[in-house]
Amino acid sequence: DAGVIQSPRHEVTEMGQEVTLRCKPISGHDYLFWYRQTMMRGLELLIYFNNNVPIDDSGMPEDRFSAKMPNASFSTLKIQPSEPRDSAVYFCASSFGGALSEAFFGQGTRLTVV
Amino acid sequence: EDQVTQSPEALRLQEGESSSLNCSYTVSGLRGLFWYRQDPGKGPEFLFTLYSAGEEKEKERLKATLTKKESFLHITAPKPEDSATYLCAVWTGTASKLTFGTGTRLQVTL
Repeated sequence: DAGVIQSPRHEVTEMGQEVTLRCKPISGHDYLFWYRQTMMRGLELLIYFNNNVPIDDSGMPEDRFSAKMPNASFSTLKIQPSEPRDSAVYFCASSFGGALSEAFFGQGTRLTVV
Repeated sequence: EDQVTQSPEALRLQEGESSSLNCSYTVSGLRGLFWYRQDPGKGPEFLFTLYSAGEEKEKERLKATLTKKESFLHITAPKPEDSATYLCAVWTGTASKLTFGTGTRLQVTL
């Protein structure tokens, strides 16, 4: 397996625009996690899914953020409208068997909102 | 409020010089403590999950231990390729919440 695949790797957008980040988890994994990493706040869990169902979205910072997982092989994180403070590296990770199981991270998407 | 504190913030070791990284936590309902390694520009790489006080896990030159208040990541005879940021995170069951520490940047020189 190629591992967790995220796209795009880099995204630069203007404030107010909609941004969609994409993630393909490892085949067979039943948990998917979205994280955000900044220098100020470190690594934060935003939301996670089990079998395509959102389990906990308490880490999602605002209603401008939304995440979907329409099937077992694809998830999106959308920010609408985007703001400069959303600039960060966004990681997707997947695991099999539980939230405490070994999670495999993607390479991340570096988002810059200007 | 759940808190995870890692120390030191940065550590510079010579090759072969063993040391330990600390992760202290104040949480309610600990379900698991994770250690990750992160290289610049990459996603974190899973190292260990510890579930209860007294548990120990080893992987190559790394050994993780857990008490009721803290975890240690012991690095024995480190090599330059062990240079990375090491992250600790705790999962608390009450709110299914994952809290990360800010990490320890380790540099191992020849």
